[in-house]
Parts: sequence; C-alpha cells; structure tokens
Amino acid sequence: NAGVTQTPKFRILKIGQSMTLQCTQDMNHNYMYWYRQDPGMGLKLIYYSVGAGITDKGEVPNGYNVSRSTTEDFPLRLELAAPSQTSVYFCASSYGRIVPNTIYFGEGSWLTVV
Amino acid sequence: AQTVTQSQPEMSVQEAETVTLSCTYDTSESDYYLFWYKQPPSRQMILVIRQEAYKQQNATENRFSVNFQKAAKSFSLKISDSQLGDAAMYFCAYRRRNDMRFGAGTRLTVKP
Repeated sequence: NAGVTQTPKFRILKIGQSMTLQCTQDMNHNYMYWYRQDPGMGLKLIYYSVGAGITDKGEVPNGYNVSRSTTEDFPLRLELAAPSQTSVYFCASSYGRIVPNTIYFGEGSWLTVV
Repeated sequence: AQTVTQSQPEMSVQEAETVTLSCTYDTSESDYYLFWYKQPPSRQMILVIRQEAYKQQNATENRFSVNFQKAAKSFSLKISDSQLGDAAMYFCAYRRRNDMRFGAGTRLTVKP
C-alpha cells in the first residue's frame, strides 16, 4: 500500500522562488494536513482540509497556499520562498472524525531556502 | 499561540517497569482535547489515549494512563508494565476543533 506519498523529498530553493510540494493518498481519507517541523520542535499545522474543495488555515499559514480539488491530492504551494521556510514538511491524512484513531504521515520533504 | 512541548527527546525503561513521559502545552482556550499518539517506524500515528479538557478524571487505557493537570497545562503519560512492543516515538498532541498540533516527540526505548 502506498499510503501518503510526498514529492520531492529534498529541494533547495533560492529566496523569492516558488514551488509546490505534492501530496497524494490512496486511502480515500477525507482529512488531509500539511505540517512543518523545525529542528527540535514539534509539528506545526500549516493548512488542513476536511474534504475536496474545503481548506482552512492552521497555526502557521503565512507564505503558503493549498488546494484540494480531489480527495487524493493536497498540494502545498510556497510563494516567494524565504529562509524562514527552511524546514521539513509533512503531509498527513486520516479518516475524518473528531479524534482520528490513526493518522498516516508521508516521509517528509526537506526544503532549504538559500 | 497554542504550542505543545515535550522536554524529553529520549527515554529508556526496563521491561516490566513503569515510565512517565512529560508534556506541557500552552493555550488560552478552555475547551480542547489532548492526546498521546504512538509512532512506530511505519510512520503512522496510532492513538494511545485521549483526554477531554472538561473532564477532571484522568483517562486510563489498560497499561496507559495520564496525569492531566489543567491549571498547570501538563499532560503526562504513564506506561505501566512496559513491554518491548511499547518501543516507539510518542507524540503529545493538542486539538481544538480541526486544528491539531503535536509536540516534538519522545523516543522510548524498552530494554529487555
């Protein structure tokens, strides 16, 4: 089973460039999430989606955009990359309920902005 | 801002002994949920135990129990009679509505 797949795994961006992190899941989950994790810190929620066509901001949405045109895909776009966006990004999904019993994470995307 | 802090990057326990993992959080809300998730190498996060903030009684699930101190914003996990299968990363999480935040995790090693 593929689960949650993120691409790319590694990327170096120059300041001011833009890029899209791709995320797809094959479990028919309605909830999807994007987190970022800085060294030694916890996971901070960037954006989440409760279903196709529905997205909402998390704790740290500035500098990012998302879309959810299908159940499977939840891309994260970085506009005008800044050094503060250097981080590891995780996409996740779960079957929607107030308390998900299991949250599936991708392997992470390491992004460096120079 | 709501943040979740786990101050112990790594913990170790002898098989059959008891271990406590610490978690503190910061929030101005009164209605929220707290969780402990276990993450094996498969990268799934599996719910271990949950606590509703409005409940004063500490949650218990078999060998897992929590010490919830709302005023102190503390939420520790106690694992009794530790087993080899308990070895994993443990994440403390806070949730209000659809917004869920996680701590940095504690890696638990169980020694035979």
